[in-house]
Amino acid sequence: RKEVEQDPGPFNVPEGATVAFNCTYSNSASQSFFWYRQDCRKEPKLLMSVYSSGNEDGRFTAQLNRASQYISLLIRDSKLSDSATYLCVVNIRGSSASKIIFGSGTRLSIRP
Amino acid sequence: DTEVTQTPKHLVMGMTNKKSLKCEQHMGHRAMYWYKQKAKKPPELMFVYSYEKLSINESVPSRFSPECPNSSLLNLHLHALQPEDSALYLCASSQEYGTSRETQYFGPGTRLLVL
Repeated sequence: RKEVEQDPGPFNVPEGATVAFNCTYSNSASQSFFWYRQDCRKEPKLLMSVYSSGNEDGRFTAQLNRASQYISLLIRDSKLSDSATYLCVVNIRGSSASKIIFGSGTRLSIRP
Repeated sequence: DTEVTQTPKHLVMGMTNKKSLKCEQHMGHRAMYWYKQKAKKPPELMFVYSYEKLSINESVPSRFSPECPNSSLLNLHLHALQPEDSALYLCASSQEYGTSRETQYFGPGTRLLVL
């Protein structure tokens, strides 16, 4: 089982739709969680850090469920410019080292 | 300002060449990272520097040699690469490594082609 798993998609949704992605992680020592977006042939850009209480930034909402070991990203009123690959990142901190794990990414395509 | 810069943007090299990738950040971050990314795959961690010391080497072949001359700069020296090393090489930085202040910011990457 992969340490961080995402549905690869692609998700193809119409403009204005609401879309949600999940990311599951296997290591209960996971401490920090992030969502990045990556456009084709560009670098990953931080979208949101995910806090235990969940957080919202405009049309984007991220939630963390430690009991079920998943994080989610909800995009409301999707725009054409939201088309990208969304990467889930989990940091696992042990007593002496930290490990950074990327999910394989979920591809989202918004159609007019 | 959350800017990480990388040079060059593109690099084509032969298998006998020696070249270097450069990364710079002026955010006062004390952790810097090199990643390799192949098409349609997530970034793979190669090296982590924390306070200018190598903290993590993810079993990277010795033909890749990292260097951290100071807290703002990170280099990746390349020698005798193979065609399968062609990829996007991403640099990232964070305030610290292994703490709660580890949000990473990525540079635009160097697209490397090995012939």
